Parts: sequence; C-alpha cells; structure tokens
Amino acid sequence: GNSVTQMEGPVTLSEEAFLTINCTYTATGYPSLFWYVQYPGEGLQLLLKATKADDKGSNKGFEATYRKETTSFHLEKGSVQVSDSAVYFCALYQTGGGNKLTFGTGTQLKVEL
Amino acid sequence: NAGVTQTPKFQVLKTGQSMTLQCAQDMNHNSMYWYRQDPGMGLRLIYYSASEGTTDKGEVPNGYNVSRLNKREFSLRLESAAPSQTSVYFCASNLYNNEQFFGPGTRLTVL
Repeated sequence: GNSVTQMEGPVTLSEEAFLTINCTYTATGYPSLFWYVQYPGEGLQLLLKATKADDKGSNKGFEATYRKETTSFHLEKGSVQVSDSAVYFCALYQTGGGNKLTFGTGTQLKVEL
Repeated sequence: NAGVTQTPKFQVLKTGQSMTLQCAQDMNHNSMYWYRQDPGMGLRLIYYSASEGTTDKGEVPNGYNVSRLNKREFSLRLESAAPSQTSVYFCASNLYNNEQFFGPGTRLTVL
C-alpha cells in the first residue's frame, strides 16, 4: 500500500535559518504530492502541491520538488520566520484510492528569535 | 463562505457515553472525510464519503459510525466512548480534484 515517511521532529531553528524537512513516499505509478501546514490550534491548510515528476510546488517562500527517481518531496525554505512555527505534513494522493490522502506523521517546526 | 465547520470545538465524555460530531461544508464538495490526529501518528482516516449517499471505512473505523445526511453534512458518531478515542478529530472535504479542505477540529477527551 501507499505510505509516506517524514523526518522526526521537533526541528528547532533560529530565525533566518535554512529549512529542510525530508519526505519520502512509497506508491505505485505517479501519485500527486502535497505539503500541508497546521498552525497551533487550527486545522490543516494546503501549503503546496506537485502533480507530476519534476514539478516544483511553491508558496509563501516554501518549495518542494517532486523527485520520482528518489521518491522524495522534501520541503525547503531559505529563511524561516517565527511565524513559520507549525506542524508540517507530507501527503500523497493516488488515483483509484477512493479519493483519499495518505499522510506522514508530521514534523513540528519551532523557530526561535 | 465558511468552508468546513465542525461542532463542538471541545468535548469531555465519560467512558460509555455517546456523542455525535457534526461537520458541514458550503463549497458544494462531493467527498467528505473524518480523520483522527494522535501524537506521533499523523492523521488517520476513520470513514469517508465519496459522494452523497455513500460511506466507506477508512484505516481506523472501529468504534465509530457515520452518516452522510446530505451533500453538505457528514456526522461522526461514537456509540460508547472509550479512553482510546481521546483525540483531535478533523473533518475534510474536496471536489473531484485531490486537494482537501479541513475544518478546525474537535478536541475530544474520554475519561
């Protein structure tokens, strides 16, 4: 079956540091890939997505590239802010899977001044 | 447009009590979902409804029932709550594409 593996958290960074959160997946064919963000006390929001190999999703300074050869979709940001503190979830969608998403376990990011 | 709304926001139950979590969306989406979120486990799908009139089990359906009341509403019922059902519950919806929109969640504690 499908699965998503994310790096363990929490990740603690200083403001303006470079961020990478690793995500790898297992799926047949060509799934769509997503990053969702959950701010404290809120539901999940879509951050970015990529629907085919070599696509780059981007939003709010975050980027992730769909790498079919390494089955990865790592999240990056060049300069994090305190306001980026949240939990980040990698997810995949596979056609024919009942329109369902498969989520990773989430990575908590804490950004300090 | 309120998006996806959930009620209640917080609930405390005693073991054996029952309750229904309500979810509604005003985006004319076809599919709706119930997830639970537990520390270190990510989000796990409980039940989903691909379209009005249909419901299917997800990854962790035991102890829950659902009703797709109409296109807008999808409720989750706990018939006899257990401490293992202490969790944060999220409802989500989407149209034909794969982006899901989430509600703010219900924090449930079962004593």
